[in-house]
Amino acid sequence: YELTQPPSVSVSPGQTARIICSGDALPQQNAYWYQQKPGQAPVQVIYKDTERPSGIPERFSGSSSGTIVTLTISGVQAEDEADYYCQSADSSGSYVVFGGGTKLTVL
Amino acid sequence: EVQLVESGGVVVQPGGSLRLSCAASGFTFDDYAMQWVRQAPGKGLEWVSLISWDGENTYYADSVRGRFTVSRDNSKNSLYLQMSSLRAEDTALYYCWTSAAGDFDFWGQGTLVTVSS
Repeated sequence: YELTQPPSVSVSPGQTARIICSGDALPQQNAYWYQQKPGQAPVQVIYKDTERPSGIPERFSGSSSGTIVTLTISGVQAEDEADYYCQSADSSGSYVVFGGGTKLTVL
Repeated sequence: EVQLVESGGVVVQPGGSLRLSCAASGFTFDDYAMQWVRQAPGKGLEWVSLISWDGENTYYADSVRGRFTVSRDNSKNSLYLQMSSLRAEDTALYYCWTSAAGDFDFWGQGTLVTVSS
């Protein structure tokens, strides 16, 4: 089972970045998003498709439609430049899977 | 404060074995499933294994099934990954990770395993 993400997304500061993730089991399984900066462990920025953990800025939001989930970063800031990974599970719920990651570049 | 501290990563020859450990603190360890995730140099995150709270159920990625064994000792708040028949493609930073319903989500800083002759 695979989750598919675009390898890269580029936006200018203040613009909106959208990162999509597609997978056949996404209608049945929750999706999570992680931000990873160089040399650091991943940090969860969205859980259960649309929920934002405490401490994560409001500019981060998540949405889901069928086999696609989307991470939206509104008003992108330079500090948002990072790799972003979607994560979910297969249809059985027993096997975890990560997307290939999307490098967000803030121009 | 939740802490996950991995250890045991070293340079090992192809075909060799290694055991990684993860020491957990700051939460009730035996309430939560635990997982291992790895990241090869310059590559993305790859899920490796999951063990249930009581150790009764284990799951593995296809790439490691039959070679790696996950275990835990709830009396020591510790998670382990026994790795055997190591290959060059197992070279990675190995993270200990726990995640549950809601925003309970914590990662260690990783331990580096290098498989090289």
